Amino acid sequence: GEQVEQRPPHLSVREGDSAVITCTYTDPNSYYFFWYKQEPGASLQLLMKVFSSTEINEGQGFTVLLNKKDKRLSLNLTAAHPGDSAAYFCAVSGNSNNRIFFGDGTQLVVKP
Amino acid sequence: DAGVTQTPRHEVAEKGQTIILKCEPVSGHNDLFWYRQTKIQGLELLSYFRSKSLMEDGGAFKDRFKAEMLNSSFSTLKIQPTEPKDSAVYLCASSFGDRDTQYFGPGTRLLVL
Repeated sequence: GEQVEQRPPHLSVREGDSAVITCTYTDPNSYYFFWYKQEPGASLQLLMKVFSSTEINEGQGFTVLLNKKDKRLSLNLTAAHPGDSAAYFCAVSGNSNNRIFFGDGTQLVVKP
Repeated sequence: DAGVTQTPRHEVAEKGQTIILKCEPVSGHNDLFWYRQTKIQGLELLSYFRSKSLMEDGGAFKDRFKAEMLNSSFSTLKIQPTEPKDSAVYLCASSFGDRDTQYFGPGTRLLVL
């Protein structure tokens, strides 16, 4: 089945710096991609859903890039602020059924 | 619309006890998922229902974990008997289906002593 590898597991940046989290996946037929944010003690909240047809996806304060050739999905937080401190999870939807495969998560700390 | 609700939010159990976790999906969603989240293992799928039918029952968890969905608006996860290694956050999620976005509940934090 699909394998999703997320890096790095931990990331610490200064306020105002950018933060980049990357996931690689194995199934070339994957079609939907997701980024979730989990604040301490809270559940997972959807940041963005990305379709395989769109390589660059702009959000509020972040960009999601999809490189289908390399099977790589990245979340770029521009000008990170302390409120961005959380765990981030990528997820990839395989070609069959409704299974979504999650990365292991990245714990991001943004220091003032 | 209410999101996914889970009860209880916290549960403390003695080793060997039976505990039942509850989940109410988003109204109208056809798919329901149970996950276990730990720092070491990350998110692990326990069960997946589509229109109340069990589609996937995580192999490693079949032994003491049983998820049921008796109607489209309610699901339970029973752990029997509990073991200390079951201490984790149990998350329920629902979606319309067909690779649609999964919406997560707040989770139940379980501690088994």
